[in-house]
Amino acid sequence: DAGVTQSPTHLIKTRGQQVTLRCSPKSGHDTVSWYQQALGQGPQFIFQYYEEEERQRGNFPDRFSGHQFPNYSSELNVNALLLGDSALYLCASSLTGSTGELFFGEGSRLTVL
Amino acid sequence: AQSVAQPEDQVNVAEGNPLTVKCTYSVSGNPYLFWYVQYPNRGLQFLLKYITGDNLVKGSYGFEAEFNKSQTSFHLKKPSALVSDSALYFCAVREGARRDDKIIFGKGTRLHILP
Repeated sequence: DAGVTQSPTHLIKTRGQQVTLRCSPKSGHDTVSWYQQALGQGPQFIFQYYEEEERQRGNFPDRFSGHQFPNYSSELNVNALLLGDSALYLCASSLTGSTGELFFGEGSRLTVL
Repeated sequence: AQSVAQPEDQVNVAEGNPLTVKCTYSVSGNPYLFWYVQYPNRGLQFLLKYITGDNLVKGSYGFEAEFNKSQTSFHLKKPSALVSDSALYFCAVREGARRDDKIIFGKGTRLHILP
């Protein structure tokens, strides 16, 4: 049973560029949440998707956007990258109606130069 | 809005001794509480959760946590620490059971088990 998979694992961008991160949820899960984890910090909630719509959003600017596909996989897009966007981006999946624990991928490490 | 506080940045414990990692929370409704562990350059792994029922919940790797409603706390415990328990631990809270309720994490506590 495949767990949550994320790609790419590492990437380097320069300020002003755009990035797309991808996530495939654990088999049978229909909800995807994205988190940003800066170095030495806890994960910060970005947004949550299910039924292909954004359902909840954290305190992140509109430069952060996402998408969920019919197969439940998801993308996180960040435009106009800033140095402060450097972080580990974590995707987590869960099953709607479950008691809510999240299953995390290994993350995508983004470095903005 | 819900919130989670982990008052200790780091906890040092000698191997074989009991350990406690503290967590307090704030929610407007009934809390769903979680503990996760993170090893270097890895994602988070689920350890245990409290939804309802017995205030002492048991989880993976011999960890347990005690829910205290009056103190709004959910401390992580283990009777005998192992060096391999050294990692970053996160407490998290979900405000309820609605399908769009988000899970919020604390800033983390680094657990260092001394050989």
